[in-house]
Amino acid sequence: QSALTQPASVSGSPGQSITISCTGTSSDVGAYNYVSWYQQHPGKAPKLMIYDVSNRPSGVSNRFSGSKSGNTASLTISGLQAEDEADFYCSSYATSSPYVFGTGTKVTVL
Amino acid sequence: EVQLWESGGGLVQPGGSLRLSCAASGFTFSSSAMSWVRQAPGKGLEWVSSIIGSGTTTHYVDSVKGRFTISRDNYKNTLHLQMNSLRAEDTAVYYCAKDRAYSYGLGMDVWGQGTTVTVSS
Repeated sequence: QSALTQPASVSGSPGQSITISCTGTSSDVGAYNYVSWYQQHPGKAPKLMIYDVSNRPSGVSNRFSGSKSGNTASLTISGLQAEDEADFYCSSYATSSPYVFGTGTKVTVL
Repeated sequence: EVQLWESGGGLVQPGGSLRLSCAASGFTFSSSAMSWVRQAPGKGLEWVSSIIGSGTTTHYVDSVKGRFTISRDNYKNTLHLQMNSLRAEDTAVYYCAKDRAYSYGLGMDVWGQGTTVTVSS
């Protein structure tokens, strides 16, 4: 099972919106609505930000939103803030594996 | 408060063995699938293994099949990962994570702080 493809880096200024893509195949992202997104600050454990494509766990800011079209899922961060600077990973259920992670995206707040 | 706490990491020679443990508290342990995820130095996240709430069904990434065994003790609220025939490429921080549901694959909503495994001679 190959890793899902994410851009290596995305940047934006405070207050702007950015979108991170997560491209898979018809055997993972395209086949199931079980896409999750995780935020990881340096030296810290990952934190679940989105599950089931577009649902936010309790306590996660509504500035984070998720969507999916075909084999590509997306995470949008609106009203970008300094504390959003982190690595972000997508994950999907797959036909051959319960979890396949994306390659990871470093978000930089300019 | 829901908490996970890993232990058992360390330095081991290639071919050696380690047993990781993850102590859980603050939720009904047997109602949640559990997973192990690793992160090699400077690299991304890699799913390693998962086990459903009852412990009767497990799943592994191909690279650890036959070498790693995941298990759980629902009486002691503890998750384990027995790692045998360790290789240099198994060097990573290993995270224990709680799945959102009884079965795995639907997202991991609580993570431990991680334990470091270093395989080197």
